Amino acid sequence: RKEVEQDPGPFNVPEGATVAFNCTYSNSASQSFFWYRQDCRKEPKLLMSVYSSGNEDGRFTAQLNRASQYISLLIRDSKLSDSATYLCVVNEGGGADGLTFGKGTHLIIQP
Amino acid sequence: SAVISQKPSRDICQRGTSLTIQCQVDSQVTMMFWYRQQPGQSLTLIATANQGSEATYESGFVIDKFPISRPNLTFSTLTVSNMSPEDSSIYLCSVEDRMSGGAVLVPDTQYFGPGTRLTVL
Repeated sequence: RKEVEQDPGPFNVPEGATVAFNCTYSNSASQSFFWYRQDCRKEPKLLMSVYSSGNEDGRFTAQLNRASQYISLLIRDSKLSDSATYLCVVNEGGGADGLTFGKGTHLIIQP
Repeated sequence: SAVISQKPSRDICQRGTSLTIQCQVDSQVTMMFWYRQQPGQSLTLIATANQGSEATYESGFVIDKFPISRPNLTFSTLTVSNMSPEDSSIYLCSVEDRMSGGAVLVPDTQYFGPGTRLTVL
């Protein structure tokens, strides 16, 4: 199984700031990409899919760079409730396989 | 998205025993998966649960240790056999969201059950 690499953090960020995470993946044939959020002692929940053209959902922007094999997540105007672990997730193809997870980036928003 | 439940939510077991974890979905789904998340780690895929056939296991996981059943499109079980303390982990099932007829609403999106927290003494 191929690798998905993330900076584990923690990222300590003041409330209202903008924060960005990157994630790199090693399998150039990977087909779909996601950011999941996992709160402490909870299951991962889909935050957003990542499309080649880039996509935005409110304060969150995700981008994919296939040439460099990285994915980014930008959070603007960060809230205390954004504190969580953000998991970069790659599906290597076909829909028949499970997902490959990065180890996650721990984000702490400070008041 | 589908509503997924798991039983038990947590258990404490003795070394050498086995535990069967159940995953129930409120709608028919094509794909079901079992993952493990060890303390402080990310998720690792154990296997794909195939309806009507043997599960497909990832490298490092074998059927004798983690037998899986998938009798229909809404239910699956994972058994952790002959447990040791190294099996202490959170076990999660996930489903791939597909519209009826096989069209994928959002490509390869997976949704997770709440997990089963297993401690082996």
